[in-house]
Amino acid sequence: DIQMTQSPSAMSASVGDRVTITCRASQGISNYLAWFQQKPGKAPKRLIYAASSLQSGVPSRFSGSGSGTEFTLTISSLQPEDFATYYCLQHNSYPYTFGQGTKLEIK
Amino acid sequence: EVQLVESGGGLVKPGGSLRLSCAASGFTFSSYSMNWVRQAPGKGLEWVSSISSSSSYIYYADSVKGRFTISRDNAKNSLYLQMNSLRAEDTAVYYCARVGTIRNAFDIWGQGTMVTVSS
Repeated sequence: DIQMTQSPSAMSASVGDRVTITCRASQGISNYLAWFQQKPGKAPKRLIYAASSLQSGVPSRFSGSGSGTEFTLTISSLQPEDFATYYCLQHNSYPYTFGQGTKLEIK
Repeated sequence: EVQLVESGGGLVKPGGSLRLSCAASGFTFSSYSMNWVRQAPGKGLEWVSSISSSSSYIYYADSVKGRFTISRDNAKNSLYLQMNSLRAEDTAVYYCARVGTIRNAFDIWGQGTMVTVSS
């Protein structure tokens, strides 16, 4: 099984900050990597697909990069509505696996 | 509007059974693989099962293999998850999500249905 190690597990930041979240795969997954944002009581919302492609309707302050085993999600300038939990997901091979999540809180 | 709507959750005793449904609308259901993903209270997301567009390929997480059965009815635009021998650790919100190409993998999710396994 492919393990997805996501870091950090939690962080606090201020509005306007630049934030980076990392996911490392235990083996290569090409670009079969998606990033999701989840707010309490809501379904996950896809932000990035194919590691670096921005989902339609998602603000351009979100970006993704990486290929193979190391991936990053960057928020260039945090907005109040960005405080949420973020997950990566590999869907290169079964069983699909999520990262443990990163809870982004207001400093 | 492209939409997935889950139903069938509820309270069930350990060892009991439950069948979840996911109704799809607004897209060609028969062209997509479909998945179930769950989230235990206060925990992260866990992929549960996947079924290909024609039901030819089915996959399960080890945690549910032998107890859960995924199926679909393309004529009814519906996905199902039959859950047997339920355990307390199966308590979670269950989401369905579609996967087509890499471009639309997990782009659409339902709102979720809560399953509580407790005596």
